[in-house]
Amino acid sequence: GQQVMQIPQYQHVQEGEDFTTYCNSSTTLSNIQWYKQRPGGHPVFLIQLVKSGEVKKQKRLTFQFGEAKKNSSLHITATQTTDVGTYFCAETWGYQKVTFGTGTKLQVIP
Amino acid sequence: EAQVTQNPRYLITVTGKKLTVTCSQNMNHEYMSWYRQDPGLGLRQIYYSMNVEVTDKGDVPEGYKVSRKEKRNFPLILESPSPNQTSLYFCASSAGTGGQPQHFGDGTRLSIL
Repeated sequence: GQQVMQIPQYQHVQEGEDFTTYCNSSTTLSNIQWYKQRPGGHPVFLIQLVKSGEVKKQKRLTFQFGEAKKNSSLHITATQTTDVGTYFCAETWGYQKVTFGTGTKLQVIP
Repeated sequence: EAQVTQNPRYLITVTGKKLTVTCSQNMNHEYMSWYRQDPGLGLRQIYYSMNVEVTDKGDVPEGYKVSRKEKRNFPLILESPSPNQTSLYFCASSAGTGGQPQHFGDGTRLSIL
């Protein structure tokens, strides 16, 4: 099946610092979705990117889809303790199967 | 309230004892899916369904069965559970045939002894 590599696996930041997680694929991604999972919770959809080079923003979160559609990133500016959780990217291919990245666990130190 | 409901939330059972995890959604979604989440491996798709009576294997279907007799329900069946199926399981649904944002249930933590 498809493989989506996500780095880093863990990230500890001081509150107020920026944070970025990356998803990479060896093949062209048809789309990329980003989810956030709070500790003890379930994944919650954040955004979907479809077009090459697409950039979308949600307040302090910036999502990018690479020009070649082989990578994507999520950048959080000035992290807050409410940003704590695990961030996953996911690709739906063939409008059927879904492949998730392994996730990046973010810890924010107050 | 739009939601995906899984039951049970927690279950400890023994090897070989058949079990079913139920999943129900009230959003009239066509697409439903089951995932297992293990440390360091993220979420892996077990089975998915694009509509009633239409199901197919995901990446890790071995040891699991599903059925989709009604649009709202998508149970996950472990006919003969084994310890390597100890995991956190999530059911999800989305509108359309896939590629849409998924709504997840709260998860079922299974321990197979």
